[in-house]
Amino acid sequence: SSELTQDPAVSVALGQTVRITCQGDSLRSYYASWYQQKPGQAPVLVIYGKNNRPSGIPDRFSGSSSGNTASLTITGAQAEDEADYYCNSRDSSGNPRVFGTGTKVTVL
Amino acid sequence: QVQLQESGPGLVKPSQTLSLTCTVSGGSISSGSYYWSWIRQPAGKGLEWIGRIYTSGSTNYNPSLKSRVTISVDTSKNQFSLKLSSVTAADTAVYYCARYDSSGYPYWGQGTLVTVSS
Repeated sequence: SSELTQDPAVSVALGQTVRITCQGDSLRSYYASWYQQKPGQAPVLVIYGKNNRPSGIPDRFSGSSSGNTASLTITGAQAEDEADYYCNSRDSSGNPRVFGTGTKVTVL
Repeated sequence: QVQLQESGPGLVKPSQTLSLTCTVSGGSISSGSYYWSWIRQPAGKGLEWIGRIYTSGSTNYNPSLKSRVTISVDTSKNQFSLKLSSVTAADTAVYYCARYDSSGYPYWGQGTLVTVSS
C-alpha cells in the first residue's frame, strides 16, 4: 500500500513538545519529508532525509524514523507553529507522490 | 532564489480541459537534476500529487489521473504546463506547481484556485 496515515489533529501547550507521526509501508524503504502549511499558503518543507532542515527552518523542528513510522517533533512549540503538517514519501515505483493525510497542530 | 508562479483560467466548464502553466524564475528549468511537479489541494482537504516531468522530458503521473493528465515543458520559455481533460467538480482545487529534488519539494508556487462549474 502507498498510503501514509497521520493523526488528524494534535494540540500542544506553548513551549512544550509535540510529536507528529506518519505511518506507511513505504517508510520501511524511504525517508519521509515533512511540510508545514498555514491557511491560504503553500506548503513549506521543514524536514527531509534522515533529519535535515532546509535553511531558515528553526532547530526546534526535528525528524526521525523507525520501521513503518516517521515522526516530526517540535521541541518548544511556538504560536507560529500552529499549522497543518503533511508527510510525503515515495510509492513502490519510487515516485515521491504519496502525501500523508495531514495533522492539524494547535498551540494552546 | 528559485521562484515558481502558476497561471491559467480560474474557471473551467465541466467536460472541458483544464490548462495551467508554471513559470520558473531564478534558474533554468533545463539545468540540474530536478523534477517539475504539479500538486493539488481541494478546499479543506489534503495534498494530491498529479505528476511530474524531468528535465529530459520524461513524465510520471498519478495512476488515478493518468488517463486525463499531460505535463509538458517549454524550455525556451522556462515554463512547464499541466493539462487535465474531462474535468468534473471533483477537480476543483488549488493547483500548485513545485520543484522536486533530493530534499523533497523545497520550492512551491503560491497556488492557483481552479473551479469547475458551468
